Amino acid sequence: SQTIHQWPATLVQPVGSPLSLECTVEGTSNPNLYWYRQAAGRGLQLLFYSVGIGQISSEVPQNLSASRPQDRQFILSSKKLLLSDSGFYLCASRRQGAISGELFFGEGSRLTVL
Amino acid sequence: AQSVTQPDIHITVSEGASLELRCNYSYGATPYLFWYVQSPGQGLQLLLKYFSGDTLVQGIKGFEAEFKRSQSSFNLRKPSVHWSDAAEYFCAVGQINAGNMLTFGGGTRLMVKP
Repeated sequence: SQTIHQWPATLVQPVGSPLSLECTVEGTSNPNLYWYRQAAGRGLQLLFYSVGIGQISSEVPQNLSASRPQDRQFILSSKKLLLSDSGFYLCASRRQGAISGELFFGEGSRLTVL
Repeated sequence: AQSVTQPDIHITVSEGASLELRCNYSYGATPYLFWYVQSPGQGLQLLLKYFSGDTLVQGIKGFEAEFKRSQSSFNLRKPSVHWSDAAEYFCAVGQINAGNMLTFGGGTRLMVKP
């Protein structure tokens, strides 16, 4: 099975500051990678997905961006954080082409923007 | 576009009682369906999945779910709830496209009374 590592686990940042959340994957090669956001009391919103190095698709327009510099590394960034960026960010991985395959999640990164 | 609805935001049951969490989906083709569980501050763990075959699927921790095409439902059940089952539960449907992402419902928070 796959293991997803996310860091930092917790982050408190002021409005207007930059952001970098990192995700790395073990146990598979060339996975599909995803960033989800979970706002307080709400479900999971897909932010970005990637099917390969340098290939990023955005699901919602927003203040965030994503990059995939290596096969098993997925980074979520922002140049200037907004209050509305607060939330719980989950990185997930899925085996390429595995339509019925399991989505493996990291432990999440909790971001609080003050 | 596909969607997933979990009608119950919160459910409280007594320990030892039976449980059913509802999930309805909207998808044009044969769906790939999943149930995940999330403990507070943690990532998501797969409970079970359906993609073909027997419409009653067994999962981990004593959970099962039944796919009913005529009702577009995939309800999660457990005959006897334990206090450790208190968590948030997410139903998801898999999408067959380039990203093969999952669309999640809004979640149901389960509380267990002693």
